[in-house]
Amino acid sequence: SYELIQPPSVSVSPGQTATITCSGDALPKKYAFWYRQKSGQAPVLVMYDDKKRPSGIPERFSGSSSGTVATLTITGAQLEDEGDYYCFSPDITGDNRVFGGGTKVTVL
Amino acid sequence: EVQLVESGGNSVQPGGSLRLSCAASGFRFGSYWMHWVRQAPGRGLQWVSRIDPDGSMTNYEDSVRGRFTVSRDNAKGTLSLQMESLRAEDTALYYCTRSTNASFDYWGQGTPVTVSS
Repeated sequence: SYELIQPPSVSVSPGQTATITCSGDALPKKYAFWYRQKSGQAPVLVMYDDKKRPSGIPERFSGSSSGTVATLTITGAQLEDEGDYYCFSPDITGDNRVFGGGTKVTVL
Repeated sequence: EVQLVESGGNSVQPGGSLRLSCAASGFRFGSYWMHWVRQAPGRGLQWVSRIDPDGSMTNYEDSVRGRFTVSRDNAKGTLSLQMESLRAEDTALYYCTRSTNASFDYWGQGTPVTVSS
């Protein structure tokens, strides 16, 4: 079955740049979406269609996709950006959806 | 205000069945794809199933296909997930979520399912 691969964890100092990658064979043809989940809360969409920011998401969040890798970048990370980040995308058929394994972002 | 409220979660023995429900309000329910997403304790998110706006098309994650059935009642604004032949690995918090332009914009608070003997 289709998989999206993310690094388990990323650490960043406040004000520095955090980069989270998501690898998947279908990504050249399918959009990536990114969700952030804080402990005990439902996930929140932070990026859609590879690089579009929903309203309310700070400009320090940006997205890109090249080949089989989608990337979420937090430029100037803040303490409130901590959480688990999941990429999400359809498989190549478009019928099914998959989450990546998640990346724990720590700002310290 | 958009609201999604799940219910029906419970503890059940392996091999048992359970029916989850999601009550939707604050939007035109029959115009949206709806999905179920689950999260096992301490684990990541897992997409489970989806259903199209009129209920005619459904898709399932491989491990639940043939055991779970998603359905909806647009007149009542409810989404359901019938789960059969439950396994320990189905233990999770089950979220119902609305899809807009392929992204999940609203989530419920989740309903817990525990499969254990």
